[in-house]
Amino acid sequence: DTGVSQNPRHKITKRGQNVTFRCDPISEHNRLYWYRQTLGQGPEFLTYFQNEAQLEKSRLLSDRFSAERPKGSFSTLEIQRTEQGDSAMYLCASSGPGVGEPYEQYFGPGTRLTVT
Amino acid sequence: QKEVEQNSGPLSVPEGAIASLNCTYSDRGSQSFFWYRQYSGKSPELIMFIYSNGDKEDGRFTAQLNKASQYVSLLIRDSQPSDSATYLCAPGDFNKFYFGSGTKLNVKP
Repeated sequence: DTGVSQNPRHKITKRGQNVTFRCDPISEHNRLYWYRQTLGQGPEFLTYFQNEAQLEKSRLLSDRFSAERPKGSFSTLEIQRTEQGDSAMYLCASSGPGVGEPYEQYFGPGTRLTVT
Repeated sequence: QKEVEQNSGPLSVPEGAIASLNCTYSDRGSQSFFWYRQYSGKSPELIMFIYSNGDKEDGRFTAQLNKASQYVSLLIRDSQPSDSATYLCAPGDFNKFYFGSGTKLNVKP
């Protein structure tokens, strides 16, 4: 168990470009979450997967955002036509049987996105 | 949008004192309540969780839940400088969690 990993750790992009982030959860975990966090705020829920199924998606999430978890393992979060307001830390978390409490979320180190 | 209210602080306590952190939430359907600690520049890490009304103790930490009042709190006994961090309250329904903005705690040596 190496924990939750996220790549890249930092991303600087120009407004209008597309970006994609990757999350590798703890291997035993079947639940995966994406959050966005800005300075001084708590993590904001974006979406949730159980295995490969996307079961929840925030209504606040623009249709420029899409997430996948094709084989129930790693997940990707894509932001199309980035805007300066998308600048934030994007956090991935996983939970599930085998490691920790069933609903205990283990967070990755995050991907910091800066849109110029 | 589900609301989670926390006093942003900073809450300053002397070393060895009890720190009391409070949280109110709007969603009566919340079934699980988590407290996370987040050091500056780091990701959140779980401190405590509680599902049932009443108190739950784990070492120096005690979580208290009152579903009727939609209120959850975290007590930290014998506070240490290493406890200085932002504490995030996160009620949820097991599939989705809503985080408060957090309370910043400063423990002074």
